[in-house]
Amino acid sequence: QFQLQESGPGLVRPSETLSLTCSVSGGSVNTYGHYWAWIRQPPGKGLEWIGSVSYTGVTYYSPSLESRITISVDPSKNQFSMTLNSVTVADRAVYYCARRAGGYKGSKFDYWGRGTLVTVSS
Amino acid sequence: SSELTQDPAVSVALGQTVRITCQGDSLRSYYANWYQQKPGQAPVLVISDGNNRPSGIPDRMSGSSSGITASLTITGAQADDEADYYCNSRDRSGNYLVFGGGTKLTVL
Repeated sequence: QFQLQESGPGLVRPSETLSLTCSVSGGSVNTYGHYWAWIRQPPGKGLEWIGSVSYTGVTYYSPSLESRITISVDPSKNQFSMTLNSVTVADRAVYYCARRAGGYKGSKFDYWGRGTLVTVSS
Repeated sequence: SSELTQDPAVSVALGQTVRITCQGDSLRSYYANWYQQKPGQAPVLVISDGNNRPSGIPDRMSGSSSGITASLTITGAQADDEADYYCNSRDRSGNYLVFGGGTKLTVL
């Protein structure tokens, strides 16, 4: 059964770096045609795509976060990760990892982790 | 504001049909996908590539598209369909992925 599981601190101080990891089970990150994505959702608000990474390490980032975000993949651990620098209270959200499948014309997120709430506070 | 526009809220009587729409210029070129999200849960893909239902999704859910508008139709809405629904696709440039703002569906 294919599953994704986010892990990382639930509390980050303002101006510091948020780091999250997504562990993949029941499948491999080393799969052609799949990208590995991070998506976030502030409490009570909508979904925001943060960025994606391929198994070869090719990345795509949301323009609004590109200056602060890094996404990487570790095939040896079957994981992928994100770091977000200089966090503010506006970065408080549930962070989801997800698998992006489909061709260029139809990029869908077909598997999601359960999400992890990250709070930014001193 | 999002490049994909959804009505914030829609309601439907139990057993009736409801259409939830998503508008955006990029939908002329790229498929829309639809996700259902219930409170406290992760989103679930219910329609992919415009009109495909993943395994386990009831056939009362269907997708369609015309021009810049993609639609998710629920035929014979059930109480269990009450949820937030999000569309996603690519932006106009094709380089980035975007979500609509979401539609809260209430089943009366």
